[in-house]
Amino acid sequence: KQEVTQIPAALSVPEGENLVLNCSFTDSAIYNLQWFRQDPGKGLTSLLLIQSSQREQTSGRLNASLDKSSGRSTLYIAASQPGDSATYLCAPWSNTDKLIFGTGTRLQVFP
Amino acid sequence: DTGVSQNPRHKITKRGQNVTFRCDPISEHNRLYWYRQTLGQGPEFLTYFQNEAQLEKSRLLSDRFSAERPKGSFSTLEIQRTEQGDSAMYLCASSHPGTYNEQFFGPGTRLTVL
Repeated sequence: KQEVTQIPAALSVPEGENLVLNCSFTDSAIYNLQWFRQDPGKGLTSLLLIQSSQREQTSGRLNASLDKSSGRSTLYIAASQPGDSATYLCAPWSNTDKLIFGTGTRLQVFP
Repeated sequence: DTGVSQNPRHKITKRGQNVTFRCDPISEHNRLYWYRQTLGQGPEFLTYFQNEAQLEKSRLLSDRFSAERPKGSFSTLEIQRTEQGDSAMYLCASSHPGTYNEQFFGPGTRLTVL
């Protein structure tokens, strides 16, 4: 059974810092992994999808890496801004045909 | 393409009442998923459809829950005889195999059972 852990659970930083959010999963037989952002009381916004054959994916100030064999993914946020404040969720997708989520990293970036 | 839409956005009901939620996926997405999210937790899978076929149901989906996707387009999720423990955010997502099944989520329906 796939289990997902995200560290840290919460993070509070001044703007401008480069951030590292970690995601680990127990079953490495995945097809891809998605990173999402969720604002309070809202739905999820897909940020990046990394295919199992890829090692990283970039979108603007976001870069996600994937080490499938060790069951880890990392989301890097460069030059953080207050607008980045949200909960970040990772979710691997495997042959169970559904996303399995961790509890997320709650990020607060203050001016 | 306006994305995934869900209605209603909020629903307050009394214990024992039935409620129904609707999800309209991104057009031409043949897969549609329902998840439930409680405060401080990540979403948990409930069920999913490929076209009109319901392919999997979680053990979280008791017999009070039923989902349909009659024409392979929109879907409904009905909860009968609601309980306070059903209070949660119900999220819908859709995907297409041609885009690596990247899932796109709607805004959710927040259910409060009094």
